[in-house]
Amino acid sequence: QSLLTQPPSASGTPGQRVSISCSGSASNIGSHHVYWYQQVPETAPKLLIFRNNQRPSGVPDRFSGSKSGTSASLAISGLRSEDEADYYCAAWDDSLSGPVFGGGTKLTVL
Amino acid sequence: QVHLLQSGPEVKKPGASVKVSCKASGYTFTTYGISWVRQAPGQGFEWMGWISAYNGQTKYAQKVQGRVTMTTDSSTSTAYMELRSLRPDDTAVYYCARDGGTMIRGIIITYGMDGWGQGTTVTVSS
Repeated sequence: QSLLTQPPSASGTPGQRVSISCSGSASNIGSHHVYWYQQVPETAPKLLIFRNNQRPSGVPDRFSGSKSGTSASLAISGLRSEDEADYYCAAWDDSLSGPVFGGGTKLTVL
Repeated sequence: QVHLLQSGPEVKKPGASVKVSCKASGYTFTTYGISWVRQAPGQGFEWMGWISAYNGQTKYAQKVQGRVTMTTDSSTSTAYMELRSLRPDDTAVYYCARDGGTMIRGIIITYGMDGWGQGTTVTVSS
């Protein structure tokens, strides 16, 4: 059981906007930045969002992150077939004294 | 462009040790740290620890503390992760990732793990 809770699955049709939630607690999201990673199956993860809402160079502005209290969310607008992947949130956790990852959300583009 | 090249797959027996390497290129190695993260089959990610490539400072996850040692060699821009007393539940894909370069009051100051190796499969089986 991860300290960060994500829905196991999400789906949308091309062009739609989808949102993936990440719920934590005061010891992680409530006190620290949130990061989002994308993993296409059988490949290495890729950083999508850092420090809650910042995009690394090269990440399309279709991807956006937000945080409020002990929850965060990743929004993907203008959904594309290549967005089909697993998405993970992460944040530092004070009780573990290290970063923790959510269980992941499998996004299906219908 | 950040590139991290990891060593090849390993098969080990319970109780043995494994050492995975991660050779960095495309950036100044000593400016950042390296985190090691593993992913068991069909599972999510588990952070194992972090090492500063600048001064060798380390921080290990409580779960593997005492069994893991992370080191770096700045002359070859290579990071290493050794895990000892292997158990079947250590079977996973092990990733290295470029991460923050400093740690303040026990917290790694990071802008995210922004470059990842291709992963090294470690299988522990008798």
